[in-house]
Amino acid sequence: NAGVMQNPRHLVRRRGQEARLRCSPMKGHSHVYWYRQLPEEGLKFMVYLQKENIIDESGMPKERFSAEFPKEGPSILRIQQVVRGDSAAYFCASSLPTGAYTDTQYFGPGTRLTVL
Amino acid sequence: ILNVEQSPQSLHVQEGDSTNFTCSFPSSNFYALHWYRWETAKSPEALFVMTLNGDEKKKGRISATLNTKEGYSYLYIKGSQPEDSATYLCTLYNFNKFYFGSGTKLNVKP
Repeated sequence: NAGVMQNPRHLVRRRGQEARLRCSPMKGHSHVYWYRQLPEEGLKFMVYLQKENIIDESGMPKERFSAEFPKEGPSILRIQQVVRGDSAAYFCASSLPTGAYTDTQYFGPGTRLTVL
Repeated sequence: ILNVEQSPQSLHVQEGDSTNFTCSFPSSNFYALHWYRWETAKSPEALFVMTLNGDEKKKGRISATLNTKEGYSYLYIKGSQPEDSATYLCTLYNFNKFYFGSGTKLNVKP
């Protein structure tokens, strides 16, 4: 059973370009969380998704950022018109469909976004 | 936004030393606290999930306790080994979100 996969692992964008980050959860997991880790800071919650639904996006900036988790395919975190302050490591984690607060999250290796 | 604090920020111990560190959180509306271990260049891995006041969990040389009334959890490592070197994260669940502390970075010298 493959773990959580994220791609690309490293992404370089120029200011104003779009960044698309992908997360494939573990097999059988239908809940996905996205986190951002700014340099020298801890993990910060961005968005919680179930398949085809956004459950909580209160940690995500309202402008330029969007997330989806379609019925088929990976979850996508999309950042439009990137700025230097978006440079960070973005981690996704998946968990079982029970959605219980005791469920373990399984983390991907992260995507390191650098905005030039 | 809930404030989850971990202390100390970093810790250097000798192989064989026992050590402990703290995760502090607001005590109201407690649901669950998770501990993760994060080795450099890897992904965070789950250690424990704790829900009840007075919970004690153990996995090998690592154990954790929980006090929800006063809002803290301790993580203990007995007889630290170099392979224990990692950042230890705690995270508090609250209304669909997980709030992470900044972690305690442990370095165990051989």
